[in-house]
Amino acid sequence: EDKVVQSPLSLVVHEGDTVTLNCSYEVTNFRSLLWYKQEKKAPTFLFMLTSSGIEKKSGRLSSILDKKELFSILNITATQTGDSAIYLCAVEEGKTSYDKVIFGPGTSLSVIP
Amino acid sequence: EAQVTQNPRYLITVTGKKLTVTCSQNMNHEYMSWYRQDPGLGLRQIYYSMNVEVTDKGDVPEGYKVSRKEKRNFPLILESPSPNQTSLYFCASSFRRTDSEAFFGQGTRLTVV
Repeated sequence: EDKVVQSPLSLVVHEGDTVTLNCSYEVTNFRSLLWYKQEKKAPTFLFMLTSSGIEKKSGRLSSILDKKELFSILNITATQTGDSAIYLCAVEEGKTSYDKVIFGPGTSLSVIP
Repeated sequence: EAQVTQNPRYLITVTGKKLTVTCSQNMNHEYMSWYRQDPGLGLRQIYYSMNVEVTDKGDVPEGYKVSRKEKRNFPLILESPSPNQTSLYFCASSFRRTDSEAFFGQGTRLTVV
């Protein structure tokens, strides 16, 4: 059965800390892995990863994919209270254009002053 | 402003009373999908649509219907809602199925009593 697993499910850190969020997956036909940030309501897009070993960066956030070991990490350096959110990992899978998206349960990050 | 609009944002209804949640996007996206989000289960795909008149089941389609008569609209229909459909629902759209980020609506909190 296709699945996406995230760890930890919940994390509390102090401002300035660096955090690493994990996402592992088991899917039949991997196409891409995506990270989203969900504050209050709608998820917003962070990264899309399709190739192993190529780091994507956006400010203090970065992510990398390992297609051999079937996982991705999302790093946040110098965390701020505004980073408090649920971080969702999703995997697009499918052979044809009619593919599906499978989300993990999310990691709830709380950054305290 | 590019956006995905869902209505209503909040809805309380009774078991068996048909309801429709509307979703509209103004970005001329081909791909649209519906998700439900439940604690501990993350986002699960209900239905998706590759283009007008092209729809397919996601992971949890039971009890739901969709239609895609126009490119911009993708309503979610619950013919006979039940309490286990109480959830937070998100509509999302993207330009293509892969290699593009998804834009999410603000969510619809549905309670079925």
